[in-house]
Amino acid sequence: EPEVTQTPSHQVTQMGQEVILRCVPISNHLYFYWYRQILGQKVEFLVSFYNNEISEKSEIFDDQFSVERPDGSNFTLKIRSTKLEDSAMYFCASSEQGPTYEQYFGPGTRLTVT
Amino acid sequence: GQQLNQSPQSMFIQEGEDVSMNCTSSSIFNTWLWYKQDPGEGPVLLIALYKAGELTSNGRLTAQFGITRKDSFLNISASIPSDVGIYFCAGPGARQLTFGSGTQLTVLP
Repeated sequence: EPEVTQTPSHQVTQMGQEVILRCVPISNHLYFYWYRQILGQKVEFLVSFYNNEISEKSEIFDDQFSVERPDGSNFTLKIRSTKLEDSAMYFCASSEQGPTYEQYFGPGTRLTVT
Repeated sequence: GQQLNQSPQSMFIQEGEDVSMNCTSSSIFNTWLWYKQDPGEGPVLLIALYKAGELTSNGRLTAQFGITRKDSFLNISASIPSDVGIYFCAGPGARQLTFGSGTQLTVLP
């Protein structure tokens, strides 16, 4: 069964460093998303991406965040200058149709900023 | 933004018991999704509901889309140890998915 994959599973970085989180969405899906989940809290939407551009972003997704689809299979989230409060699980998701349909999540990347 | 209220926050049940949890919203949703999340893993889609009043089953799981479109419930019948986890409802708005705060389910042997 097709699934969303994410790398790395765990990333430790120092405050102020840049990180890139990688995702491979399900191959026939056209809509891609990033979410984050701070430990013990609910999943929060960051950004959605369709047709090579951002469709929607939340207030969390400020100028230090960016997304890119560098090739036909990868979808990346870059955090330019990490802060301690960026420590969280980051989930990539994809859907075949738009955001009002089923979204399938990857296993997540645990980001720890020290 | 849209808020989803999930209850109960946590449940402790005996193996073999049925369990019910629900989700309410102040806004109307056209879709309700139910996910399960195990510790350290991503949410796994359990059931998707697309029509008001719809009742959908997936094995021992049954979910219903409320008539008012502002609520949904999830039932698990004959619980087993692997049902342990956090269950989230989620409602897609026009452009993003909003998650409820989750119901932590513990199944006691």
